[in-house]
This record gives sequence, structure tokens and C-alpha cells, in this order.
Amino acid sequence: GIQVEQSPPDLILQEGANSTLRCNFSDSVNNLQWFHQNPWGQLINLFYIPSGTKQNGRLSATTVATERYSLLYISSSQTTDSGVYFCAGPINQAGTALIFGKGTTLSVSS
Amino acid sequence: DTAVSQTPKYLVTQMGNDKSIKCEQNLGHDTMYWYKQDSKKFLKIMFSYNNKELIINETVPNRFSPKSPDKAHLNLHINSLELGDSAVYFCASSFGGEGEQYFGPGTRLTVT
Repeated sequence: GIQVEQSPPDLILQEGANSTLRCNFSDSVNNLQWFHQNPWGQLINLFYIPSGTKQNGRLSATTVATERYSLLYISSSQTTDSGVYFCAGPINQAGTALIFGKGTTLSVSS
Repeated sequence: DTAVSQTPKYLVTQMGNDKSIKCEQNLGHDTMYWYKQDSKKFLKIMFSYNNKELIINETVPNRFSPKSPDKAHLNLHINSLELGDSAVYFCASSFGGEGEQYFGPGTRLTVT
């Protein structure tokens, strides 16, 4: 299966700052998802983005499939953005489950 | 109108007991999963079912037995619970293996 690596592992920001989270994967993917796990443990879908660019409010994501990476941009961060951000790709070519990176823990202070 | 629901949300039990966690999805998906999140927040697939058939069993001890009575339900039964089974267990579902996966709220299992 593929390997998924995320960076940085930890990120501390002041409210209003921008940030970029990176996800590298070791093989081609037909499924790439970004999740936010909030402090209450809930896994929230952010983007399903095997390729291209998507935007949702202050968040956007870009996946460059040919170069095997994806980026998550957070602009004008808010304290509610705190939590762990995971990217996940298919465990195999059949895509029958997700393999997760270790996550980026984001702390936004006011 | 919850998309993927799990019961119970919290489960505290003693070593050696048997327990079950239930999962239901109302999204019409045909594929369901169980993931385990350990104390370091690492998420790992345990099982994957497509149309009630087991697709993936990721070297999980056979004390764990999933059961899918229909496409909308995937339950997890755990026998002879051990301290190391303490974790958060997430159910998820999707259209096929490549579709976007949606997760339930998780079940925090604590074995004492």
C-alpha cells in the first residue's frame, strides 16, 4: 500500500495567520481526503481531492497527483480551526480503505 | 438525520468481557469500515465491507468479529477484551472503495 506523510507535525499560530499543511504520498492515488479532527474527537470531512484545486470558505486544497502531494491552505485562521488535520489516501489500487498520515496538530490562539 | 451513527459513544468495561459496538449509515452507501484510533491519534483500518462481504481484514486479532446484517449496518463484536483494546473506534461508509468516506462520531472504549 501507499505511504502517507504529513508535515509539519505541529503548528502554532496566532489568530488571523495563514498556514499551509502538506501531505506527500508514495504512489498514485484515486482518492485523497483531508479531515479535521476537532477537540471533541469528531472527524470532519474537509476535501475529497484526488487531483486539482478546491475551495471552501477560508480553506482550500490542491492535489498535484503527478508529483504525489497535496496541500491544505488555511487563511485567516480562527481558534475554532484548532485540532488535528489528517490526510488519507487509498490503502491499495482498489481503494478499499484509507491509510492515514500521522496528522498535523494545529493550535490557534487569540 | 445523522449520516453515520454509532452506539454507544462511550464504553467502559473490564478485561475479559465481551462487548459490541453498533454502526448504522443512512447515506445509501454500499461500503462500510471500522477504523481504530490509538492514544497517539493514529488512525488505522481494521475491516472493510462491500455489500455485506468482507473485503479487508487488516491483521486484526480474531477476538474482533465484524458483522454486517445489511448494507446499512456494520457491527463490531469484541471478545475477551484486553487493556490494549482501549481506543476510539470509528465507523465509516462510502460509495465503493474509491468514494468519499464519511465517519461516525466514534466510540471511546476503555478497558480496565
